[in-house]
Amino acid sequence: NAGVTQTPKFQVLKTGQSMTLQCAQDMNHEYMSWYRQDPGMGLRLIHYSVGAGITDQGEVPNGYNVSRSTTEDFPLRLLSAAPSQTSVYFCASMKSQGNQPQHFGDGTRLSIL
Amino acid sequence: KQEVTQIPAALSVPEGENLVLNCSFTDSAIYNLQWFRQDPGKGLTSLLLIQSSQREQTSGRLNASLDKSSGRSTLYIAASQPGDSATYLCAVRDQGGKLIFGQGTELSVKP
Repeated sequence: NAGVTQTPKFQVLKTGQSMTLQCAQDMNHEYMSWYRQDPGMGLRLIHYSVGAGITDQGEVPNGYNVSRSTTEDFPLRLLSAAPSQTSVYFCASMKSQGNQPQHFGDGTRLSIL
Repeated sequence: KQEVTQIPAALSVPEGENLVLNCSFTDSAIYNLQWFRQDPGKGLTSLLLIQSSQREQTSGRLNASLDKSSGRSTLYIAASQPGDSATYLCAVRDQGGKLIFGQGTELSVKP
């Protein structure tokens, strides 16, 4: 059971570089989301998707893009990395119907120098 | 705007004690409330989910309650063990599926 898989686990970038954080789930979940976790701030929603072809902004979307071309994958793109984007990023998924829990990946630890 | 608060931010107890973690939220129009556990350097693991129409859920030594009218939930851990040491987060789900998290309670259970 792979669940939610995030790659890479760690990454160091220079200011201005771009990169894509990968997220894949094998549970056929319709709903997928990206959070960032910062000390003292808890988890904050960046972007989410209720199904293939549909994405929407969360609480802190600036500087990030997402796409959802398949049910399984939900990549997060940093367009031009900034030190303020240093954080731990979590991807999550869940069934949209019914009271189902969210399943989280193990996170990507990203440092922007 | 929904806000979720967890008190205390950190808690240290001796092994064997029963303990209560608190979660409060400002908007009672929730779909459900979830309690998660997070170990250092790891992702979140779902512990209990309480539907908006329910009052409590139990799993082993864990019991979570929900009082929507007062905007409160508690997580009760019976007979705590050192393996329970982790950060515990509560999150409320709105009708659209989004989760709003509290900042967590860091629990340390001393042998």
